[in-house]
Amino acid sequence: QSVLTQPPSVSGAPGQRVTISCTGSSSNIGAGYDVHWYQQLPGTAPKLLIYGNSNRPSGVPDRFSGSKSGTSASLAITGLQAEDEADYYCQSYDSSLSAHVVFGGGTKLTVL
Amino acid sequence: QVQLVESGGGVVQPGGSLRLSCAASGFTFSSYGMHWVRQAPGKGLEWVAFIRYDGSNKYYADSVKGRFTISRDNSKNTLYLQMNSLRAEDTAVYYCAKDISGVAATMDSTSFDYWGQGTLVTVSS
Repeated sequence: QSVLTQPPSVSGAPGQRVTISCTGSSSNIGAGYDVHWYQQLPGTAPKLLIYGNSNRPSGVPDRFSGSKSGTSASLAITGLQAEDEADYYCQSYDSSLSAHVVFGGGTKLTVL
Repeated sequence: QVQLVESGGGVVQPGGSLRLSCAASGFTFSSYGMHWVRQAPGKGLEWVAFIRYDGSNKYYADSVKGRFTISRDNSKNTLYLQMNSLRAEDTAVYYCAKDISGVAATMDSTSFDYWGQGTLVTVSS
């Protein structure tokens, strides 16, 4: 069971908007720690998509956006494209665990 | 461009040892903290260990504490993970990852801006 909870799967048609939620608690997201998002295409290493809740690294399309409120965060993808089909992971810090760095369980995005 | 290339994975028996390496290039290695993150087959990501830019501090996940040791050689631009007393549940692809922050990196602000391609470790008899 992951410390950060994500839906196992989401789907959308090309051109649509989808959101992926990441729910934490008062010891991680709710404590004010930043949330980061990664995209993992099939058979490849993860890639940083959003850092510091809402910042995009250079080269990441502005179709991807992140937000945070309370004990949750969200990744939104607009103008869905076939190449967006991938696994998405949120990541944060948890002050109650000695492991500290925590990931969500991952969400499989299917483009219909 | 930033490149991280892992090596050293393979098949090892339970209780055995393995040392992973990660050769870094394209950035000032000695100015960045580095991590190991693993992914069991068909599963999600699990953070394993972090070492500060100068090797002064190291942090581990509870699942590997006392068995794994992270280290670095800044003169060789290389990160290491020494894995001892390996268990079946350590079977995973191991990625090295660069911390987005430089010398000021702290665990509570960690994120990973570059990843290697990963090396597979299989623990099986």
